[in-house]
This record gives sequence, C-alpha cells and structure tokens, in this order.
Amino acid sequence: EVQLLESGGGLVQPGGSLRLSCAASGFTFSSYAMSWVRQPPGRGLEWVSTISDSGRSTYYTDSVKGRFTISRDNSKNTLYLQMNSLRAEDTAVYFCSKFPSSGYHVGDAFDVWGQGTVVTVSS
Amino acid sequence: DIQMTQSPSSLSASVGNRVTITCRARQSISSHLNWYQQKPRKAPKLLIYAASSLQTGVPSRFSGSGSGTDFTLTISSLQPEDFATYYCQQSYSSPFTFGQGTRLEI
Repeated sequence: EVQLLESGGGLVQPGGSLRLSCAASGFTFSSYAMSWVRQPPGRGLEWVSTISDSGRSTYYTDSVKGRFTISRDNSKNTLYLQMNSLRAEDTAVYFCSKFPSSGYHVGDAFDVWGQGTVVTVSS
Repeated sequence: DIQMTQSPSSLSASVGNRVTITCRARQSISSHLNWYQQKPRKAPKLLIYAASSLQTGVPSRFSGSGSGTDFTLTISSLQPEDFATYYCQQSYSSPFTFGQGTRLEI
C-alpha cells in the first residue's frame, strides 16, 4: 500500500524554524517528484514546493522563496521541508504529496497524499 | 498566477441527487484540470485528472468534463460518503493553483 506519513509539526514563535519530514512507503520513492501542499485553518489548499525525483530541481511558491528549502533522501525514502523565518501566515496543515512523474510537469496531479502535520506560528 | 474560481461555494443536496460543480480558469488551461475530494480533518483525495479521466478506484458516479476555461465535476447519484469539500486544481502552469472549494452538504 502506498503511504506517506508526515511528522515534525508543532508550535513555533514568529521568526523561528521547523523541519518537516515525510516518510514514504509502498512505491519506488526515487522515481517520483514530491511536493508539499498546505492548508491554513478553515481555508483552501495552496501548493508550497516541489522537488524532482533526483532532487536536482526544486520549485517554490513566491511567498516561501528564500525561507523554505525542500529536500529528499532517496536512501531513506524521506522528503523534508526546512522552514525558516516563520510567519503567522505560515500557520497551516502541511501535506506531503506525490506526483505521478519524475518532475514538476504540465498535466500532473497530486495523486497520493499524507495525512498532514500541523504547524502553528504564534507567540 | 492562474486564478481558479469554483461555483457554488456551498451546495445542499440529498442522497440520490445529481450534482454539478463548476470550475472556471481565468485563462485557457487546455485539459490540465484535476478534481479532489476532502473530508473534514482528512487529506485530499484525487478523483479526476486531465479534466475527465477517473483516478483508479474512484466510483464511476464521478465524472468530469470541460476544456479551455470551463470545467464541471458531476456526481450522478449522491451517496452518503460523498458529502465533503471538492477542489479543482490547474496543472497548466506554475504555480499549480487550486479553486477555493465547494462544500457539499446534506
């Protein structure tokens, strides 16, 4: 069974840092691009970042560029999101998701999702 | 960024009803449109990709249509487990953006 399991969320003060992890199982992790998508409380979905299968290519939404870093360890089947300089507006449930191809391609959909991890930025 | 607008924002229906949700893109996105279902406190689930292709394991009562700027998700006969929030998402250009969601209620 294909599974994604996020961890690492929590309460952090504005300006602080947090690292999210997503453990993958049930598929060949190194063959697929992976993404983070977030959902603020009571609101809709927002794509945050994507990384290619090899990790060589990364993509970010404008609001997190320079603050967040996506990475992966294919030997551990794990995806990461390093979040620095956190702001109140980063408060959300963060979902790990899989693409059906190796990169960030036109036409791709988020075909598998984890259950999410909650990040709260507050003093 | 390509703005995606869904209508209605919320919808009341009954078991057995036929329901249609609309999604409009600000510019043409060809057929690069996906639909997701999300239940409270759960992860989204992919229902339809490429505007009209049913994801494996999704019941055939779900269908999608459209191209260009206008798209629809249709549920032919509502079941109790279909009451949820539905999101469209364009995969034509980065950043991949979502609609604001349509809440389907009893």
